[in-house]
Amino acid sequence: EPEVTQTPSHQVTQMGQEVILRCVPISNHLYFYWYRQILGQKVEFLVSFYNNEISEKSEIFDDQFSVERPDGSNFTLKIRSTKLEDSAMYFCASSEGPGGMPYEQYFGPGTRLTVT
Amino acid sequence: KNQVEQSPQSLIILEGKNCTLQCNYTVSPFSNLRWYKQDTGRGPVSLTIMTFSENTKSNGRYTATLDADTKQSSLHITASQLSDSASYICVAPSGYGGSQGNLIFGKGTKLSVKP
Repeated sequence: EPEVTQTPSHQVTQMGQEVILRCVPISNHLYFYWYRQILGQKVEFLVSFYNNEISEKSEIFDDQFSVERPDGSNFTLKIRSTKLEDSAMYFCASSEGPGGMPYEQYFGPGTRLTVT
Repeated sequence: KNQVEQSPQSLIILEGKNCTLQCNYTVSPFSNLRWYKQDTGRGPVSLTIMTFSENTKSNGRYTATLDADTKQSSLHITASQLSDSASYICVAPSGYGGSQGNLIFGKGTKLSVKP
């Protein structure tokens, strides 16, 4: 069964450093998402991406964050200058259609980001 | 403000027993409601998606109900197994139709199934 994959599974970085989290969505999906989950808290939407551009973003997704689909398979989240509060599990998800319609969103296993 | 509230926060049941988890949502406009299962340290896995016209939907031992009038949903788990121990999360998209509809997650109900 096709699945969303994410690398690395765990990333440790120092405050102020740049990190890139990588995701490979399911191949025939058109909509891509990043979510984060701070330990013990609920999952929060960061950004959605469709047709090579951001279609929606939350207040969390400020100028420190960017997303890119550099080729036909990868989808990346970059945090330019990490802060301690960026420590969280970051989930990538993909779907065939938009979330407003009843299309499944498939989540990857997550990347645990630890900022020290 | 769009919100999804769940109860109880946590629940302990014995293996083989049934349980029901509750969700109240205030999301507008409403298009669909989802239940996800999340094992500790893993990504959420979809259990059901229901549109406003659906009252009930089953997926194996999981049965979700939806009352769009009262804005309530429930997830019933039958004959629980140890592997059902996880967080169960109620989720609704904030938009509909052509909107990309970012997902709004509840805090989840942490279910522990004991032998």
